[in-house]
Amino acid sequence: AQSVAQPEDQVNVAEGNPLTVKCTYSVSGNPYLFWYVQYPNRGLQFLLKYITGDNLVKGSYGFEAEFNKSQTSFHLKKPSALVSDSALYFCAVRVPGAGSYQLTFGKGTKLSVIP
Amino acid sequence: SQTIHQWPATLVQPVGSPLSLECTVEGTSNPNLYWYRQAAGRGLQLLFYSVGIGQISSEVPQNLSASRPQDRQFILSSKKLLLSDSGFYLCAENLGQGSYGYTFGSGTRLTVV
Repeated sequence: AQSVAQPEDQVNVAEGNPLTVKCTYSVSGNPYLFWYVQYPNRGLQFLLKYITGDNLVKGSYGFEAEFNKSQTSFHLKKPSALVSDSALYFCAVRVPGAGSYQLTFGKGTKLSVIP
Repeated sequence: SQTIHQWPATLVQPVGSPLSLECTVEGTSNPNLYWYRQAAGRGLQLLFYSVGIGQISSEVPQNLSASRPQDRQFILSSKKLLLSDSGFYLCAENLGQGSYGYTFGSGTRLTVV
């Protein structure tokens, strides 16, 4: 079975500082990894994904994530946080070739960027 | 690209009343469709998924049911709502192949009173 862990319920960061939202995964096989963002009372929006190739993936709104196979991690990063980045962030994993193509989501991390 | 329409955006219903939430998908054929519930703005709970017309898999036994009468339509229903059914309901789809993730609808906020 595949699983995703987001060890921090909440991350607080000052505006202009770098931010990191952590994600680790457990799968058998090579995973597809995703990050989504959710603003209040909205659906989830796709940020970026890792499929294969370069371990550093760049996505929307200046976010990037680094795939680390040895540490089974896929942490989300941004060099300089904005107040508008405050939202709920979800990491997700899928193993290619597995059944119904479901994503398994982490429980989410609330990011608060303090002005 | 895919677009998902969900309605209504908000709904307040009394305990014991019926429920019908609708989700329709544009831009793709034969998508996999999913209903999620999100309580208190946190984790996502998968309720149902469908890989084709009339094919429904239930992940969590409860007071809700789902149907897929058409390829691009997914309906979440209840005959009698409970207080515990309150939450934010999200419809999602993926193409079921390749490296695609999900596309989500904008959600329905259901409050059972």
